[in-house]
Amino acid sequence: DGGITQSPKYLFRKEGQNVTLSCEQNLNHDAMYWYRQDPGQGLRLIYYSQIVNDFQKGDIAEGYSVSREKKESFPLTVTSAQKNPTAFYLCASSPGLAGVNEQFFGPGTRLTVL
Amino acid sequence: GENVEQHPSTLSVQEGDSAVIKCTYSDSASNYFPWYKQELGKRPQLIIDIRSNVGEKKDQRIAVTLNKTAKHFSLHITETQPEDSAVYFCAACPAGFQKLVFGTGTRLLVSP
Repeated sequence: DGGITQSPKYLFRKEGQNVTLSCEQNLNHDAMYWYRQDPGQGLRLIYYSQIVNDFQKGDIAEGYSVSREKKESFPLTVTSAQKNPTAFYLCASSPGLAGVNEQFFGPGTRLTVL
Repeated sequence: GENVEQHPSTLSVQEGDSAVIKCTYSDSASNYFPWYKQELGKRPQLIIDIRSNVGEKKDQRIAVTLNKTAKHFSLHITETQPEDSAVYFCAACPAGFQKLVFGTGTRLLVSP
């Protein structure tokens, strides 16, 4: 299960606070992704990055922000503008090479807004 | 954009039976179709995948079939075991993109 890590495992936040979720990988992958998982809705893409210093919005980017200053790190900030942030957040990475699409997931962070 | 639908949402089988999960996709240019297994409280893990130039792929008790004309693909698990109980997700990768669009998942329960 090594290679991609997320911290913390559990996170509690008060309404109106921003919070940052960490994602680190040592697989030398170019591409990294953030998903949100809610019961019965599968995995929905928040943001993804195919290369350092570049990222694109996914399907549900509103209320979230990311940065990609280093190849191995892709932190996600959940801002107070996100109306329903309580969810399980998964980070993933993939080699990013054309034709190599498998994504490897981290263990996830469960965020609860109190 | 790509849209993936997955059925059924829940599936209960007896140990030793076969299980089939079906997905349809909307973008005919999608060219990569993985299946992930997620056990309770754990991360999704790839169990099998197929590319658009292949119609079927097998790995021991697991197989995936792809019908490009109808734009659907299926996961087949034979001789199911209790440890196969999990949530299974299908996904599709639109051509030219390095991202996946996931189905909503199927909760498989294998009873001893």
